[in-house]
Amino acid sequence: EAAVTQSPRSKVAVTGGKVTLSCHQTNNHDYMYWYRQDTGHGLRLIHYSYVADSTEKGDIPDGYKASRPSQENFSLILELASLSQTAVYFCASSGRDWGYEQYFGPGTRLTVL
Amino acid sequence: GEQVEQRPPHLSVREGDSAVITCTYTDPNSYYFFWYKQEPGASLQLLMKVFSSTEINEGQGFTVLLNKKDKRLSLNLTAAHPGDSAAYFCAVSGGGSNAKLTFGKGTKLSVKS
Repeated sequence: EAAVTQSPRSKVAVTGGKVTLSCHQTNNHDYMYWYRQDTGHGLRLIHYSYVADSTEKGDIPDGYKASRPSQENFSLILELASLSQTAVYFCASSGRDWGYEQYFGPGTRLTVL
Repeated sequence: GEQVEQRPPHLSVREGDSAVITCTYTDPNSYYFFWYKQEPGASLQLLMKVFSSTEINEGQGFTVLLNKKDKRLSLNLTAAHPGDSAAYFCAVSGGGSNAKLTFGKGTKLSVKS
């Protein structure tokens, strides 16, 4: 059974609209992460969290907010979606052992028109 | 912060050939190293991992070599087959309280029969 799930798996949004991407993990991991993947850029970290009700900025947080209401759930929020936010978004979780080895969800393909 | 450079961005080989993907990193305190495989349209799956205290890890037809002196990590495939066609990403972690992985930009491997 999948340990990290994401919803929706794909979404088309309009410019200026609000988008919420959701992630759920059953690994009992403390850490959760949001990345975006663009061709030629690999994976870039947007936000991460190590405990419920707390989030940390990653390397490219501008234009994104995150919410961690529980250990299992982590959301990424685009308050005002822009064309440049068209990408594939991956959620991941990790425990505190083995260098924070990360387990990834299936990804969400977001298209902003 | 840590920077990881991955080469080459694209690699095309014939079935049965060898293939080598290399990552160089900057932080001498990096301790955990990972290789992820991403098949087209899919998520990232952990392929192999190696501690700083070990220098070689083998499995699934791949060998990971770590040269701490040169801060270089390589993924070696001795006999490629079409099922190995995918994108490969290296990732580096300092461990300790640093919960973030720094990813290379990826290598797209194509194996032709």
